[in-house]
Amino acid sequence: AQSVTQPDIHITVSEGASLELRCNYSYGATPYLFWYVQSPGQGLQLLLKYFSGDTLVQGIKGFEAEFKRSQSSFNLRKPSVHWSDAAEYFCAVGALGGYNKLIFGAGTRLAVHP
Amino acid sequence: GAGVSQSPSNKVTEKGKDVELRCDPISGHTALYWYRQSLGQGLEFLIYFQGNSAPDKSGLPSDRFSAERTGGSVSTLTIQRTQQEDSAVYLCASSLGPAGETQYFGPGTRLLVL
Repeated sequence: AQSVTQPDIHITVSEGASLELRCNYSYGATPYLFWYVQSPGQGLQLLLKYFSGDTLVQGIKGFEAEFKRSQSSFNLRKPSVHWSDAAEYFCAVGALGGYNKLIFGAGTRLAVHP
Repeated sequence: GAGVSQSPSNKVTEKGKDVELRCDPISGHTALYWYRQSLGQGLEFLIYFQGNSAPDKSGLPSDRFSAERTGGSVSTLTIQRTQQEDSAVYLCASSLGPAGETQYFGPGTRLLVL
């Protein structure tokens, strides 16, 4: 069965430091991949997505992610974290190669120290 | 324009009662999704509507759960004979349609079953 693994439940970084959130997926073919962010009391907001083409994807709020087929990974990065980035981040894969049914990872909660 | 709206924001009910949760998708979006976010299970897909096609109900956890979408717009998720394990945040999302790969999420309804 398809699955998404986010190995880090909690991550704490200092403001201005770089960030990398890990995501590994299981799927035989090229999947549709997504990163969503959920701020306290808010719904999920799409940061970026990968369907095909360039494996380095740029998103909103200065985030980027790189699809690595050989590692079945889609890690999220940001060169300099802002205090407002504190939130929960979810990686998701479209089920069965589509994008209408999303399978989410367990999420990574990011805390930012001043 | 307006985003996805859900009502109520919070619902407290007693075990055994029925509840209805409402979702208003973004105008013009033909696809509508329900997900459940709970502590034990993370974010789970429940059901997907696309236009007038038969919904994909593969994620509904039991026959106590049902959903309908009237007029291709508003959707209602109904949970009959609620159980404590139904306590969760129920998220609704919508997208442009089969080719609308980005799902836009509402703020959710937080359900507590006592």
